[in-house]
Amino acid sequence: AQSVTQLGSHVSVSEGALVLLRCNYSSSVPPYLFWYVQYPNQGLQLLLKYTTGATLVKGINGFEAEFKKSETSFHLTKPSAHMSDAAEYFCAVIAGTASKLTFGTGTRLQVTL
Amino acid sequence: ETGVTQSPTHLIKTRGQQVTLRCSSQSGHNTVSWYQQALGQGPQFIFQYYREEENGRGNFPPRFSGLQFPNYSSELNVNALELDDSALYLCASSPTSGGRFGELFFGEGSRLTVL
Repeated sequence: AQSVTQLGSHVSVSEGALVLLRCNYSSSVPPYLFWYVQYPNQGLQLLLKYTTGATLVKGINGFEAEFKKSETSFHLTKPSAHMSDAAEYFCAVIAGTASKLTFGTGTRLQVTL
Repeated sequence: ETGVTQSPTHLIKTRGQQVTLRCSSQSGHNTVSWYQQALGQGPQFIFQYYREEENGRGNFPPRFSGLQFPNYSSELNVNALELDDSALYLCASSPTSGGRFGELFFGEGSRLTVL
């Protein structure tokens, strides 16, 4: 079975500071990894994904993530936080069928002035 | 391009009742998945439909059932509602070609409260 663990249920950063949201995965086969964002009272939106190839992937809104097999990690980063980045972020891994995503428990990002 | 739409957005039921939630998939998507998101948790996979057939199921009891129609819209039915069924139910559609493997397009969800 595949799973993801998100370290830190809440992260608070100042506007303009680095954003780092942590995700570690467990998988017996090469994983496909995703980050989704959920704004209040909305559904989830794909930020970025890693399937194969380049291990540093860039997504929307200036976010990027690096797949590190040796560390079984897929941490999400953004160089400079903006107030509009405040949301819930979910790391996810493909498990079995093409659309069956296994999600982590989420990290709520707070951005302060 | 029309996105994923779900109805109703909010509903309240009592224990033992039945509920039907509806979802219209994004144009061109023939796969629909349903997820349950309890408060403060990540979404949990319920099941997936592809071309009107169930194509994968998560760890949910049989009282959770679904349908997919020829136009790829879908329904989620839950019988004998329990208090723990209170959650946000998310529908997601996905393309099955074009290199967009694993990309889900979510609706805004139906929030179910069971009293």
